[in-house]
Amino acid sequence: NAGVTQTPKFQVLKTGQSMTLQCAQDMNHNSMYWYRQDPGMGLRLIYYSASEGTTDKGEVPNGYNVSRLNKREFSLRLESAAPSQTSVYFCASGGTHRGAFQETQYFGPGTRLLVL
Amino acid sequence: RKEVEQDPGPFNVPEGATVAFNCTYSNSASQSFFWYRQDCRKEPKLLMSVYSSGNEDGRFTAQLNRASQYISLLIRDSKLSDSATYLCVVTFSGGYNKLIFGAGTRLAVHP
Repeated sequence: NAGVTQTPKFQVLKTGQSMTLQCAQDMNHNSMYWYRQDPGMGLRLIYYSASEGTTDKGEVPNGYNVSRLNKREFSLRLESAAPSQTSVYFCASGGTHRGAFQETQYFGPGTRLLVL
Repeated sequence: RKEVEQDPGPFNVPEGATVAFNCTYSNSASQSFFWYRQDCRKEPKLLMSVYSSGNEDGRFTAQLNRASQYISLLIRDSKLSDSATYLCVVTFSGGYNKLIFGAGTRLAVHP
């Protein structure tokens, strides 16, 4: 049971290049999320998918697109990378904690992206 | 004003000390509350949920004060391994399970 996995772990891009960050979960969760984390700002939601076949914008969606390929996989695409997209990207899936009512989120190990 | 505010620290404490962190949130409609732990260059991991009645998990105690809109985390008998950043998380429902993260409080436990 791997939980949430992400690839790649690190990536360096030049301005204008594109790339796709991959995420997969094996916890049978319906909801999946993409966040970015920048120093002093906390995690900010980029996009989310409440269930297979649906995606919606979060707090900072500009410059990104997503695909919910199936229940397990949720990818994030940068079509034309910019230096402002240098960040650490975390994927998460949502499930309940110890059978409690409220849902919480479980995170992948992250992708460190540097855009030059 | 940020939706979830935390003192960034760092809190530098000796092993065995008791340390407490507070977190305030601005939206009174917040529904669920959590503390996450994040080690350097790692992903956030759920530490514990926070219930209105307060809850304890070993050396960790979490409290919620809805009237004052703050959450606290108390760590007793600090260990070196407790050194990390502690993230306060507040959730809302409404379309999706929206989590709002504080920027985190850094704890450094020294020998």
